[in-house]
Amino acid sequence: DAKTTQPTSMDCAEGRAANLPCNHSTISGNEYVYWYRQIHSQGPQYIIHGLKNNETNEMASLIITEDRKSSTLILPHATLRDTAVYYCIVSRLFGGYNKLIFGAGTRLAVHP
Amino acid sequence: SAVISQKPSRDICQRGTSLTIQCQVDSQVTMMFWYRQQPGQSLTLIATANQGSEATYESGFVIDKFPISRPNLTFSTLTVSNMSPEDSSIYLCSVEAGVVRETQYFGPGTRLLVL
Repeated sequence: DAKTTQPTSMDCAEGRAANLPCNHSTISGNEYVYWYRQIHSQGPQYIIHGLKNNETNEMASLIITEDRKSSTLILPHATLRDTAVYYCIVSRLFGGYNKLIFGAGTRLAVHP
Repeated sequence: SAVISQKPSRDICQRGTSLTIQCQVDSQVTMMFWYRQQPGQSLTLIATANQGSEATYESGFVIDKFPISRPNLTFSTLTVSNMSPEDSSIYLCSVEAGVVRETQYFGPGTRLLVL
C-alpha cells in the first residue's frame, strides 16, 4: 500500500482557507486518496476522496496533481470547529473492501 | 452515510478481566471493521468482520485476545480478553457504505482504561 507524508502540524487563521498538503509519490493507478479528520475525543469523520480528478463537496475541495503523487485538501473558510487531526490515506480495494491505513496525520489548529 | 453507535462509551476495568464492546449501525452493511487507537497514536486496524464468516485479523492481533462476533448485518461485538494496562485505548468500529465507492464511516469510539 502506498504511504503518505503529511506535515506534523499547521496553523490557520479563522475565516482563511486552510490548505493541507499530502505526498503520496508511490501511489498506484487503482488507489484512491481519502481524507478523514478526527476532532478531539471523537471518531474519525470522512471528508472527501478522489482518484485523479479534483473533487469538491460541502466540506472541502481535493486537488490532486496530474501525476497523482501529491494532493491538497482545502477548507475554504476555516472555523474554530475545524481544529482537528487530518489524515490523508491512500486506499485500494483489498479482498473486496476498502482498506484504510492511517498515518500520523496533520494537526490543524485554527485560531481567532 | 451511516449512523453508528457504540456501547459502552467508556469503561474502567481491572487487569485480567474481559470487556465486550458493541457496535450498532442504522442500516444493513456487509463489512464492519474494528480499530484500536492507543493514547496519542493513530488508528490501527484490528480486524475485518464480514457477516456470515470468520473475522479476518491484521498482523499482531489474534482471535483469542480479540474475539469478534458478527451475528447480523447491523451489529458486531469486539471482546478485549484478559486485559492488561497496555490494552488501554480507544476502540472504534466502522462500516462501509456508499454508492459509487465504498467509504468507511466511524462510530464514536469506546474509551477503555485498564488498571
